[in-house]
Amino acid sequence: DAGITQSPRHKVTETGTPVTLRCHQTENHRYMYWYRQDPGHGLRLIHYSYGVKDTDKGEVSDGYSVSRSKTEDFLLTLESATSSQTSVYFCAISATSGDNEQFFGPGTRLTVL
Amino acid sequence: AQSVTQLGSHVSVSEGALVLLRCNYSSSVPPYLFWYVQYPNQGLQLLLKYTSAATLVKGINGFEAEFKKSETSFHLTKPSAHMSDAAEYFCAVSDSGYSTLTFGKGTMLLVSP
Repeated sequence: DAGITQSPRHKVTETGTPVTLRCHQTENHRYMYWYRQDPGHGLRLIHYSYGVKDTDKGEVSDGYSVSRSKTEDFLLTLESATSSQTSVYFCAISATSGDNEQFFGPGTRLTVL
Repeated sequence: AQSVTQLGSHVSVSEGALVLLRCNYSSSVPPYLFWYVQYPNQGLQLLLKYTSAATLVKGINGFEAEFKKSETSFHLTKPSAHMSDAAEYFCAVSDSGYSTLTFGKGTMLLVSP
């Protein structure tokens, strides 16, 4: 299994509070991704990174920001959490942009009350 | 823009029956195509991928998929379902040279004894 961990694994927070989710990899892969998974929507890309300090927006980036200061860590921040951001968040990594096989972390279940 | 359509949010089969999960894609260039599986409360795991080599791709756990350019399809099959195959399955597409995947909405496979 690819070495990907996510923390925390579960979090309950209140509307309006900032939340940061962490993804950590031990594979030294260049690309890292944040997705959210919601029933009926599959996985939707929030942000991704193609190198240290190089990030770009995905399909559903509003209300989220990311940072990557080291190869191994990719942080997702909800600046002011809303109930619509209640979801399961997955981090993924990929070595190349060629065939782009992605490896997924175990997920973080976030509930915003 | 690339997109993926998975026909049927739920598919039910009996143990031992053929499994057929449908995936159609749209892409302006030759794509890379993937099937992932997600077991309850886990991350996604790669089943198989097509990257322009053989059109019939064999994956793990007895699954295979056939790339049909004329039909823009990449359906997933397994000759004989097992109870352990019950999970959610996601089809994904990536245009060659791009570093992101676009996922379908998923198909839940239910296997009855």
